[in-house]
Amino acid sequence: AQKITQTQPGMFVQEKEAVTLDCTYDTSDPSYGLFWYKQPSSGEMIFLIYQGSYDQQNATEGRYSLNFQKARKSANLVISASQLGDSAMYFCAMRVNSPGGTSYGKLTFGQGTILTVHP
Amino acid sequence: GAVVSQHPSRVICKSGTSVKIECRSLDFQATTMFWYRQFPKQSLMLMATSNEGSKATYEQGVEKDKFLINHASLTLSTLTVTSAHPEDSSFYICSAREIMTGGDETQYFGPGTRLLVL
Repeated sequence: AQKITQTQPGMFVQEKEAVTLDCTYDTSDPSYGLFWYKQPSSGEMIFLIYQGSYDQQNATEGRYSLNFQKARKSANLVISASQLGDSAMYFCAMRVNSPGGTSYGKLTFGQGTILTVHP
Repeated sequence: GAVVSQHPSRVICKSGTSVKIECRSLDFQATTMFWYRQFPKQSLMLMATSNEGSKATYEQGVEKDKFLINHASLTLSTLTVTSAHPEDSSFYICSAREIMTGGDETQYFGPGTRLLVL
């Protein structure tokens, strides 16, 4: 079974500073993908960044980067130059990519981290 | 990117009534859609996987007779909460899986439906 753990229920950061949101995962499948989503108070799930288990380089998307440490099974999200609009709930998620098996294609979500950006 | 819509966005109903929520993929065909449930300040919990033309696959602990799922076409899946009770009040989110040429896949989320059962 797959498991995603986000140990930070809440995080605070000053505007324009960088912040790291932690995520660890557990799976026995060799092929998997890791996702980060942002969920503002409206409830919509906004895709931020994706890292495949075989990707050699850490994923980056604008101000978002994923610090992928495969041996440690961690996939932390780094948000640089925080903005007030970054205040939201952030979810780390994992998907097994190997066809077959009951978990194929399903996303497993972590508990989430509420990020508050202070002016 | 692809768009997934949900209808209604918000619904209030009386206890004992049934509520239908629609999930549509607007510009792609989705053989698989997923239904999630989210309580305030908690994570998304997968309820079921909806497969076009076949029965849905429910996660452990989800009552299939309570949460009826129908995936009648490649662009539409519906979730019906039957005989709703206050404890069914929650945020329901669907996602649709698009499989691109080459085998890569992406899931697109709908905007969610807030259900309040009085």
